[in-house]
Amino acid sequence: EVQLLESGGGLVQPGGSLRLSCAASGFTFTSYAMTWVRQAPGKGLEWVSAISGGDGITYYADSVKGRFTISRDNSKNTLYLQMNSLRAEDTAVYYCAKYPYGSFYYYTMDVWGQGTTVTVSS
Amino acid sequence: DIQMTQSPSSLSASVGDRVTITCRASQGISNYLAWFQQKPGKAPKSLIYAASSLQSGVPSKFSGSGSGTDFTLTISSLQPEDSATYYCQQYNSDPLTFGGGTKVEIK
Repeated sequence: EVQLLESGGGLVQPGGSLRLSCAASGFTFTSYAMTWVRQAPGKGLEWVSAISGGDGITYYADSVKGRFTISRDNSKNTLYLQMNSLRAEDTAVYYCAKYPYGSFYYYTMDVWGQGTTVTVSS
Repeated sequence: DIQMTQSPSSLSASVGDRVTITCRASQGISNYLAWFQQKPGKAPKSLIYAASSLQSGVPSKFSGSGSGTDFTLTISSLQPEDSATYYCQQYNSDPLTFGGGTKVEIK
């Protein structure tokens, strides 16, 4: 069974940093693109970032470009999101999700994790 | 960015009703359209990709149609467990964008 388990969320002050992790199991992690999607309290879904399988090509939403870094450790079957210079508007539940192929171009996510909550507040 | 507009934003229907949700893209996206279901406090669940293809394990009461700019999600016979918010998403162009959601409630 494919499983994605996020961790690393918490309360952080504006300007601070946090690293989210997403532990994957039940599939050959290195072969699949992965992504982060967030949801602010009471709001809709917002795509954040994606990384391809294998060659590790990355892509970011303009709202996080230059502040967030997506990466993966295929030896640990784990996806990461390093978040720096955090702002109040980054407060959200962050979900990791898997793509059905190694590329994210012209594909959408098929399996989602349960999410981890990030709160940016002083 | 491509804007995705869903209608209605909410609806209330009876058990057994046929329910249709509409999603419109601000420009043509071919059939690069997905639908997700999200129950309160839970993660989204993938329902449909490529406008009309069901994800593995999704019951056949869900169906999708459309191409270009106009798309629909239909629930053929609404059940209590279908109470949720439904989101469309385009993946034709970066960045991926979602519709604002349609909240489906049971009368």
